[in-house]
Amino acid sequence: EAEVAQSPRYKITEKSQAVAFWCDPISGHATLYWYRQILGQGPELLVQFQDESVVDDSQLPKDRFSAERLKGVDSTLKIQPAELGDSAMYLCASSLGHQGGGAKNIQYFGAGTRLSVL
Amino acid sequence: AQKVTQAQTEISVVEKEDVTLDCVYETRDTTYYLFWYKQPPSGELVFLIRRNSFDEQNEISGRYSWNFQKSTSSFNFTITASQVVDSAVYFCALALYSGGGADGLTFGKGTHLIIQP
Repeated sequence: EAEVAQSPRYKITEKSQAVAFWCDPISGHATLYWYRQILGQGPELLVQFQDESVVDDSQLPKDRFSAERLKGVDSTLKIQPAELGDSAMYLCASSLGHQGGGAKNIQYFGAGTRLSVL
Repeated sequence: AQKVTQAQTEISVVEKEDVTLDCVYETRDTTYYLFWYKQPPSGELVFLIRRNSFDEQNEISGRYSWNFQKSTSSFNFTITASQVVDSAVYFCALALYSGGGADGLTFGKGTHLIIQP
């Protein structure tokens, strides 16, 4: 069964360091999402891509966070510099998007990257 | 802005009991989708069901059933004859419809379900 792949699974970093997360969506999925989930809360959308274009990044803290999906396939989320409050689970999801007909907006999630900032 | 409320932070029941997880949503849009996801301790969110705002039919899938009522803006989830493997955090979520694709999800805070043997 196709899966959304994320790496690394766990990341420990020190405050003010740079950190990057990688996501490979399910093959053929046009839409890719990055969410942040703070412990005990529901995930919150950070950025949404349709192919290689950003559709929504209104909740992305752009002073320190950046995201790209250069070829419209895999994606990287970067934080520089990391702050203590960035400690969370970072989840990637993908969906068929506009090509998917009735199932186009069912989002499938990866296992996430758990970030700890010390 | 959209909002999803899951008032039950944690529910604990004994195996084989039935349990209902509540979800109330807010949106001004008339076209939207509602979802339930399961998050086991491993962390991955597992898709369970999607309903659109025009389809108020209840749905049953094995031991799972969902009750969608637009009049009360609720989308409740019932597990019949619960099992230990049902223990997880369950999230209700909402997405608006955009003709070109799929909007991001607005999640509730989740309900931690504990099934005791």
